[in-house]
Amino acid sequence: GESVGLHLPTLSVQEGDNSIINCAYSNSASDYFIWYKQESGKGPQFIIDIRSNMDKRQGQRVTVLLNKTVKHLSLQIAATQPGDSAVYFCAENKFSGGSNYKLTFGKGTLLTVNP
Amino acid sequence: DAGITQSPRHKVTETGTPVTLRCHQTENHRYMYWYRQDPGHGLRLIHYSYGVKDTDKGEVSDGYSVSRSKTEDFLLTLESATSSQTSVYFCAIQLAGKVNEQFFGPGTRLTVL
Repeated sequence: GESVGLHLPTLSVQEGDNSIINCAYSNSASDYFIWYKQESGKGPQFIIDIRSNMDKRQGQRVTVLLNKTVKHLSLQIAATQPGDSAVYFCAENKFSGGSNYKLTFGKGTLLTVNP
Repeated sequence: DAGITQSPRHKVTETGTPVTLRCHQTENHRYMYWYRQDPGHGLRLIHYSYGVKDTDKGEVSDGYSVSRSKTEDFLLTLESATSSQTSVYFCAIQLAGKVNEQFFGPGTRLTVL
């Protein structure tokens, strides 16, 4: 079964607030954890990744935190904007032999930004 | 957009008919993937390819076959479509040297009646 899942299926925030999207995982052998964003009617889009031996990684307005003790991953979005409204997926990537990796996606959290 | 197109974008077919979905890329990426997306399941990997004529199964490969006879095209075939294969199908490529960054096509919505 899936080893990556999400705590909440929906999240609603006010424009300008910070958003935190959470994800639990069960496979400690994953090499990377990744966040993807999917806007309505489009394919998923890569946001940020973190290697499994790291605790924190920052991007532009986004921060990913990895807590290996409790197997928890989070995506923080600063100053959330209407354009951030989308479904966010956490995913894990695991080396599968040769030069191949396989992504496993969680079920997604719908983020709605209210003006 | 990494030059990925999918065709058709929408298709309605009947149970038992064969269906082939096409993914085409223009940037010579080695790795290509087929996913299906269903409510409550997120994206699930069907098959992937790591080169011409090199393919492997994903987690939900039953009822699907793939072919990659040239770098730019990755075909997904449903030999005999079933209603459980009604879904949105996404093709993706992996950006060179970036194992976590897959770029997705626009998707194909398939309805099997």
